[in-house]
Amino acid sequence: KAGVTQTPRYLIKTRGQQVTLSCSPISGHRSVSWYQQTPGQGLQFLFEYFSETQRNKGNFPGRFSGRQFSNSRSEMNVSTLELGDSALYLCASSFTQGVSGELFFGEGSRLTVL
Amino acid sequence: GQQLNQSPQSMFIQEGEDVSMNCTSSSIFNTWLWYKQDPGEGPVLLIALYKAGELTSNGRLTAQFGITRKDSFLNISASIPSDVGIYFCAGHYAGKSTFGDGTTLTVKP
Repeated sequence: KAGVTQTPRYLIKTRGQQVTLSCSPISGHRSVSWYQQTPGQGLQFLFEYFSETQRNKGNFPGRFSGRQFSNSRSEMNVSTLELGDSALYLCASSFTQGVSGELFFGEGSRLTVL
Repeated sequence: GQQLNQSPQSMFIQEGEDVSMNCTSSSIFNTWLWYKQDPGEGPVLLIALYKAGELTSNGRLTAQFGITRKDSFLNISASIPSDVGIYFCAGHYAGKSTFGDGTTLTVKP
C-alpha cells in the first residue's frame, strides 16, 4: 500500500510570495491533517479535512488555508509568506482521525522563506 | 489550549541500555500515541493506547496510558543504534492530536 505522498519535497520562496503544497493520502483514508514542524515550536496542528470539509483548525493566521478534493487529496496554501513560515510542513492521513488519532505521515515539504 | 510536557528533552545512552521517557498534561486525553521521527522523514506511529491503565508492547517498546488519563510513558529495552531519532508523544481528544516537543535519543555503539 503506497504511503502518504507530499509534493514538493523542498522549495524556496521569498517574503510576500505564496505557496501551495500538495498531499495524497493513503488509499482509502478520508481524513487529512496538516502540521507545521519547527525546531522551536515542535509539531503544531494547522487543520484537518474529512470528506472535503474542514473539521478542525489550529491557531494559525488566515494566511494559512487548505482544501480537500473529492478523491481525498489535499492542498494547503500559505499567502504573503513571512520568514517565520520557514518550516517542515507535514501531511498525515487516517481512515477517520477523529476516532482513533492514529496518523500516517508523509515525508514533508520543507519550505524556506528568504 | 492543551499542552504536553515531554521529558527528557534529550538522552545520550550506550547501546544495550534501557530508555524511559514520559509525557504529562493538565488535560485528559482519550488516546495516547507514540511516534518516532528519523532525520528527513515524517513521524512513524509506534504504539497507540486507548484505555486508562493500558500497557502495550511492540517488540522492545513498552508504553502505558496513565490511570488519570493525563500521562503516558514509553520504555525502550536493550537499545540499538537504529533507535536513534526523535520520539514524540501525542494526546488525542475531540478529533485533535496535540504533540509533545519530542525526546531526541542518541545511542553510542
